[in-house]
Amino acid sequence: QKEVEQDPGPLSVPEGAIVSLNCTYSNSAFQYFMWYRQYSRKGPELLMYTYSSGNKEDGRFTAQVDKSSKYISLFIRDSQPSDSATYLCAITPGGTSYGKLTFGQGTILTVHP
Amino acid sequence: GAVVSQHPSRVICKSGTSVKIECRSLDFQATTMFWYRQFPKQSLMLMATSNEGSKATYEQGVEKDKFLINHASLTLSTLTVTSAHPEDSSFYICSAVPGGNEQYFGPGTRLTVT
Repeated sequence: QKEVEQDPGPLSVPEGAIVSLNCTYSNSAFQYFMWYRQYSRKGPELLMYTYSSGNKEDGRFTAQVDKSSKYISLFIRDSQPSDSATYLCAITPGGTSYGKLTFGQGTILTVHP
Repeated sequence: GAVVSQHPSRVICKSGTSVKIECRSLDFQATTMFWYRQFPKQSLMLMATSNEGSKATYEQGVEKDKFLINHASLTLSTLTVTSAHPEDSSFYICSAVPGGNEQYFGPGTRLTVT
């Protein structure tokens, strides 16, 4: 079993749709959760970072963590064509292992006009 | 803020030669940087942790004698792929941590070994 599972998609939605991206993880030692956006042939860009269960909102993006279910989500409201990219969830235990990220496979998202 | 650069962005080399990739944190100091490798349509895989002033820590299965890492200063880490072979062709990405658990990535270096 992989430590982090993410549906690779691809996911295609019309402009303005609400997008839901999800990851599950297997080890309860993971305490810090991130979402990255990666455009083709570019490095990942940090979108959201959270460490507690619940919701964290930033503009059109909402990160949701449910530690009891080991489930994390990223919601994108009013999606735009510029949101088309690969979205990667990443987790880390933190502490002395901080920074050692384990990534999901990435979900390819296309938002069409 | 939190900008990480990499140089070169793209490199083509012949089999058997060595290639050096630089990773710089432009507006912050980073005692720790990380090197990842990403194959086409796959996720990032951590190769090694680069620590300023000490030896790098390599992940299981990564050959430390092939992938030489030098963290020369608080803003610079280099990855040298020695005796490169076609199977080393990949997208190499570095990251740096300014503090806490947030991690910022460079734009990546595409290595092609012919």
